[in-house]
Amino acid sequence: DAGVIQSPRHEVTEMGQEVTLRCKPISGHDYLFWYRQTMMRGLELLIYFNNNVPIDDSGMPEDRFSAKMPNASFSTLKIQPSEPRDSAVYFCASSLELADPTYNEQFFGPGTRLTVL
Amino acid sequence: GENVEQHPSTLSVQEGDSAVIKCTYSDSASNYFPWYKQELGKRPQLIIDIRSNVGEKKDQRIAVTLNKTAKHFSLHITETQPEDSAVYFCAAKRVGYGGSQGNLIFGKGTKLSVKP
Repeated sequence: DAGVIQSPRHEVTEMGQEVTLRCKPISGHDYLFWYRQTMMRGLELLIYFNNNVPIDDSGMPEDRFSAKMPNASFSTLKIQPSEPRDSAVYFCASSLELADPTYNEQFFGPGTRLTVL
Repeated sequence: GENVEQHPSTLSVQEGDSAVIKCTYSDSASNYFPWYKQELGKRPQLIIDIRSNVGEKKDQRIAVTLNKTAKHFSLHITETQPEDSAVYFCAAKRVGYGGSQGNLIFGKGTKLSVKP
């Protein structure tokens, strides 16, 4: 398996523009997580899905952020409109629910480095 | 909810020395404690984890200990090498409810520098 795939790897945009980040989880994984990483705030969980259903979106910073998972192999994180403070590395991760759901390794994608000018 | 504190934020050691990173957690229901290593410009990757039914786990030069009573766990790296230089994150997981998986709560990270 190619692992978790994210695109684009780098995105530079201007304030006010819409940004869409994409993620393809590992085939067969039923959990998908979106994280944001900055120097100041570290690694923050934004939202996660189980079987394509959003379970917890309490980490989404504001209404400008939205995430969807239309099927088991694809998810998007959208920022509209984007602001300079959204500049960060955004990671997608996926995991498989085992018989004992307590123990699951999360596999991270390579990340998308977003710069909002 | 769960809160994970990690110390120190930066750690510098000489090659060959040992390094210890400590984390505390607040939710006594947490029962899974992974450690992730993130090299510069790369993604976080799991290096070792420990479950609440054991007190210590070792894998070559790295080991993790867990004290459930005190709610703290630590990462130990012996005979450090320059390639151990990275940011290390601890995390804790709450027991899921309704059959769903609880999310990992990460510490802020420790930047480890190993000087040759």
